Parts: sequence; C-alpha cells; structure tokens
Amino acid sequence: SQQGEEDPQALSIQEGENATMNCSYKTSINNLQWYRQNSGRGLVHLILIRSNEREKHSGRLRVTLDTSKKSSSLLITASRAADTASYFCATGNQAGTALIFGKGTTLSVSS
Amino acid sequence: DTAVSQTPKYLVTQMGNDKSIKCEQNLGHDTMYWYKQDSKKFLKIMFSYNNKELIINETVPNRFSPKSPDKAHLNLHINSLELGDSAVYFCASSQDQGAGMYEQYFGPGTRLTVT
Repeated sequence: SQQGEEDPQALSIQEGENATMNCSYKTSINNLQWYRQNSGRGLVHLILIRSNEREKHSGRLRVTLDTSKKSSSLLITASRAADTASYFCATGNQAGTALIFGKGTTLSVSS
Repeated sequence: DTAVSQTPKYLVTQMGNDKSIKCEQNLGHDTMYWYKQDSKKFLKIMFSYNNKELIINETVPNRFSPKSPDKAHLNLHINSLELGDSAVYFCASSQDQGAGMYEQYFGPGTRLTVT
C-alpha cells in the first residue's frame, strides 16, 4: 500500500526561484528519503533524514521532517533547468523490508 | 563504472511470450530489489533479495520469478506476458536490509512493452 503522498503533483517555476514539495505519510517511520528521477532514467537518492532530525541540508536542498504531522518537505533553492525531474519521498514499510514510494511531484524549471 | 546495470533497456514483445531482464550491481551490496513503475510513475516494490535469499514478494503474480545466482545479480523472468505487464522495471540495491535505513541505488530501468 502507498505510504507517502507528495504535494503538489506538478510544479512549474522559473530558473532562480525556489521549489517546495511536500510529502505526507501514514505510519510511524525511522527515516524518510527523497529521490529524484530524470525523464527516462532511474531514481537517484538525494537525502535521508532520520526520525529524530528536524532539518537536513545538502547543497541547494533543504529537507524538513515533522513527525507529529507525519510530513516532510523538500526545498530546492535557486532552481536550475537541470532540476527538472520528478521527486519522490519514500519510507520503509512496516516490516522494514522495502521502500514505499509516494506518487511524486513533477517539477519543471524553465529558463 | 556503472553501479547498477540492467539489460535490455527496451523490450518489445507479444502477449504470451516469456522474457527475462538481467540486473547486476558492482557495489558489493547485500540486498537487491525489483520495482515496477506504471504509466503514472507510481513505483511499487515487487521483490527483495538479501544475500541471494528472497525477503519479500509483494503480491506479484507467480508468472514473475526472480532469480539470484549470486549476491551481485538479480534477474527477473516473466512467463506468459500480458498487456498489463507493460511498464518500466527497475532494479535497485542497498548496502543491507532494513529498507528505509539505507539509500538505494537504482538501475536505468527496462521499458517493457507487451503488444
């Protein structure tokens, strides 16, 4: 069953703007991960945030986690055309044997 | 060097045929996975193997049979292909079990089209 739900489903911005994507999940988690998928490619891991962390940074990426609201957000600052991709959040299933992915947010950055 | 590789990248076949997709990882990881991504980009786990042993089989028809000859390889064989099997299939690997604990490395995907 699906664990994460990203919001919005699609986002279009101009280069230089910030992009914020949100993810909500249903059950308690140990960690939450974000992945990027460029068109026609496999997924690439971006960042992992643990349940006891509230915020994590990696380059132009900032991820927050609010376990009380069961939600996470991914902020991409100063977006570039190369950031155009689909972004997925993922959490472990109850048994810890697989990642459950959300439906993803499709980001389009125009120059 | 490619971390996780899959062959073929594209596979077009007719209903009823049997086909295989191969996956190899050179990361020394213990755990490998097969995912199916549908036309709406929804990604769903199919199988998970740890050290050549099946860990999870997520309500996948038994026409799908994974085979792990060694820790670095996880192949997917599909019998009696159906139209609904058309999708992109991704192989992935991670350092160990405990999904959610470790980042996963994905292959480039195999786009299967059943006509």
